[in-house]
This record gives sequence, C-alpha cells and structure tokens, in this order.
Amino acid sequence: GDSVTQMEGPVTLSEEAFLTINCTYTATGYPSLFWYVQYPGEGLQLLLKATKADDKGSNKGFEATYRKETTSFHLEKGSVQVSDSAVYFCALSGGGTASKLTFGTGTRLQVTL
Amino acid sequence: GAVVSQHPSWVICKSGTSVKIECRSLDFQATTMFWYRQFPKQSLMLMATSNEGSKATYEQGVEKDKFLINHASLTLSTLTVTSAHPEDSSFYICSAEGDAAVSDTQYFGPGTRLTVL
Repeated sequence: GDSVTQMEGPVTLSEEAFLTINCTYTATGYPSLFWYVQYPGEGLQLLLKATKADDKGSNKGFEATYRKETTSFHLEKGSVQVSDSAVYFCALSGGGTASKLTFGTGTRLQVTL
Repeated sequence: GAVVSQHPSWVICKSGTSVKIECRSLDFQATTMFWYRQFPKQSLMLMATSNEGSKATYEQGVEKDKFLINHASLTLSTLTVTSAHPEDSSFYICSAEGDAAVSDTQYFGPGTRLTVL
C-alpha cells in the first residue's frame, strides 16, 4: 500500500537557518504530494502541493519539488523564523476526488532566536 | 476560500455520555468529508470517509457503532462519540473536499479536543 516516510524530529534550528525536512514515498500510480503544517493546538493547514513529476510547490518561502526518480518531496526553506515552529506533515493522495490522504508521522520544527 | 470549521473546539464530558462534533465547510460544497483522530505527538489516523447522503465508510478497526457519522448536507458532517470512555480522549480533526471543479485538495478544520473524565 501507499506509505510516506519522514525524517524523525524534532528539528531544532536557529532563526535564519536553512531548513530541509526529508520526505520519501511509496505509491502505485501517480500520486499528488502535499505538505501540511500544524501549529500548536490547531488543525492542519495546507502549506503546498504538487500534482505531477517535476512540479514545484511553494508558499510562504517554503518549497518542495516532486521528484519521481527518487520518490521524494523534500521541504525546504532558505531562512526560518521563530513563527515557523510547528509540526510538518508530508502526505500523498492517489489522485482524483475523495482520495484518502496517507500521512507521514510528522516532523516537529523548533526555531530559536 | 476553502474554510472548514469545527464545533466545539474542545469538550469535556463524563464517561458514558455521548458527544457530537460538527464539521462545516463554510464557503464551498463538500462532496466528501473525512474524520481523523490524532494522538499526542502522532500522525493523523483516518477514521472514516463520508459522502453526502450516504453511509460513511469506516477504516478497519474503527467501531462504526461507537463513532456515528452523519453527512446530511453538502456543508455539514457530524461525528458522535457514543458512550464515551477515557480512552476516547483525543484530538478529532475533520477535512472536506469539494468536487473536481473546485479542488482535489482536502481542507482541514481546526480540530476538536475531547477529554473524557
């Protein structure tokens, strides 16, 4: 079945550091890939997505590129802020409407001054 | 756009009582809604998928008689935890997906924290 593997956290960075959170996936067919962010005590917010190979999703300075050859969708940001502290979830869906999302275990990011 | 709300945001109840959680899509019609459960510091576990006007599809291991799901309209789904017990305490999150003309992305509610005493 489909699965998503994320690097284990927590990840602790100083403000303005470069961020990479690794995500690899296993899926049949051509899934869509997502990054969701969860701030403390809140639900998930869609951060970015990519629907086909080589697509780059981007939002709020975060980027991730759909790499079919390496089955990866790593999240990057050039300069993190304290306000980026949250849990980040990589997810995939099989495509089409009403598709189930398969989530990774989440990576907690803590950014300090 | 694509806002999903949940009510209540938190609830505390006594063991043996039932609790209803509402999930609403505020600015789009949700053909499908999903209910998740999240344990502390863990990922989301899909409980069930509901389509408007039809019975929910439950994931393996989820008791359908305990977690009653109703999707009565294109903007509202409810999850009722019946005869709640302390082990049902968790963070429950819903998501909604519109039709293909709108988006193939799930939009999540802010979650409901249930504490059963």
